[in-house]
Amino acid sequence: QVHLQESDPGLVKPSETLSLTCAVSGGSVSSYKWWSWVRQPPEKGLEWIGEISHRGNTDYNPSLKSRVTISIDKSKNQFSLKVNSVTAADTAVYYCARHIAVTTYRGFDYWGQGTLVTVSS
Amino acid sequence: EIVLTQSPGTLSLSPGERATLSCRASQSVTSNYLAWYQQKPGQAPRLLIYGASNRATGIPDRFSGSESGTDFTLTISRLEPEDFAVYYCQQHGNLGYTFGQGTKLEIK
Repeated sequence: QVHLQESDPGLVKPSETLSLTCAVSGGSVSSYKWWSWVRQPPEKGLEWIGEISHRGNTDYNPSLKSRVTISIDKSKNQFSLKVNSVTAADTAVYYCARHIAVTTYRGFDYWGQGTLVTVSS
Repeated sequence: EIVLTQSPGTLSLSPGERATLSCRASQSVTSNYLAWYQQKPGQAPRLLIYGASNRATGIPDRFSGSESGTDFTLTISRLEPEDFAVYYCQQHGNLGYTFGQGTKLEIK
């Protein structure tokens, strides 16, 4: 059973960079094709941030693309998210997720528990 | 960008009743790329349905999904107490993934 665990940066100051890591256990990041980051502001809906393949190919939400970088580290069995120049609007619970293994379909079948990142001085 | 509009915003029903949740796409969506999730307070979303009508592993058969053109429906045949939660639809298109705004299913 795959388990995903987000790191916990807690508080990030405005204009700084938010950095998160998703540690994968019970399976290899190389064994599944795609991984994603999703966020959820307090009391609001879900927003997809971006995805990365096991080969390092990336795709980002157009509304965040200029500030977001997703990378993968196979040696550590994890993938990471960086969001630059954060503001209070980036305050949210951040989730990492695994894509369904069957590539003819789309969806996220395993999720981390989520970590609350607060942007505040 | 494909916009998914879910209705109703809130649905108030009693255990044992049938729930019908709607997700309408602003343009054509590949049905294989339409999924439904359940989210309870303080928890991550859980995949219920993928490919518009396929139940994910471990999902009870009281949950079903269907489609008609750009309209997608999640049906819960007989509500159990644990089904009261927020439900989201999701699609994948040329600009990545988008989610609907959610339907809150509450106990009447």
